[in-house]
Amino acid sequence: NAGVTQTPKFQVLKTGQSMTLQCAQDMNHNSMYWYRQDPGMGLRLIYYSASEGTTDKGEVPNGYNVSRLNKREFSLRLESAAPSQTSVYFCASRDRGSDTQYFGPGTRLTVL
Amino acid sequence: GNSVTQMEGPVTLSEEAFLTINCTYTATGYPSLFWYVQYPGEGLQLLLKATKADDKGSNKGFEATYRKETTSFHLEKGSVQVSDSAVYFCALSDRGSTLGRLYFGRGTQLTVWP
Repeated sequence: NAGVTQTPKFQVLKTGQSMTLQCAQDMNHNSMYWYRQDPGMGLRLIYYSASEGTTDKGEVPNGYNVSRLNKREFSLRLESAAPSQTSVYFCASRDRGSDTQYFGPGTRLTVL
Repeated sequence: GNSVTQMEGPVTLSEEAFLTINCTYTATGYPSLFWYVQYPGEGLQLLLKATKADDKGSNKGFEATYRKETTSFHLEKGSVQVSDSAVYFCALSDRGSTLGRLYFGRGTQLTVWP
């Protein structure tokens, strides 16, 4: 049981480049989330998906887009990367019955 | 609105010392409360949780009690080990919301010395 997986683990981009962060879960959860973690800021919600085919903005969505490809996969796209998007990105999925979120290992992104 | 305020670190302790990390919250509904732990270079792992007032969550020697009257969920451990060195996050979720998002504190870095 892999839980939540994320790729890549590390990435370095130049300003203006684009990339997609991949996330998949094998726990049959409906809800999935993208967070970013910055020093001294805790985790902040970027986007979430309550179910397959639906996505909504969180508290810091600017500069990002998401796709809920199917129940398992939820990707995060940076169309034109900026240095302010240097961060660690975590994907999570939620077990509604226990109201518990499970996190992936994270992607450490640096934008130069 | 919903928010979590947690004790700022870093916290540095000697092995076998007593640990308390304070966490207070503001919530509009009836939240579930969580402590997550992040070991160096890893993602967040659920450490413990409580879903209603007076519940005590516990795991790996850590405990936290859901105190509605003081809106607190302080993390405690009687005797820390070097392996407990990590960042600890307090969080709440609004169970009444279909969104189910988590609201996190800023995290507390704990370092335990032998």
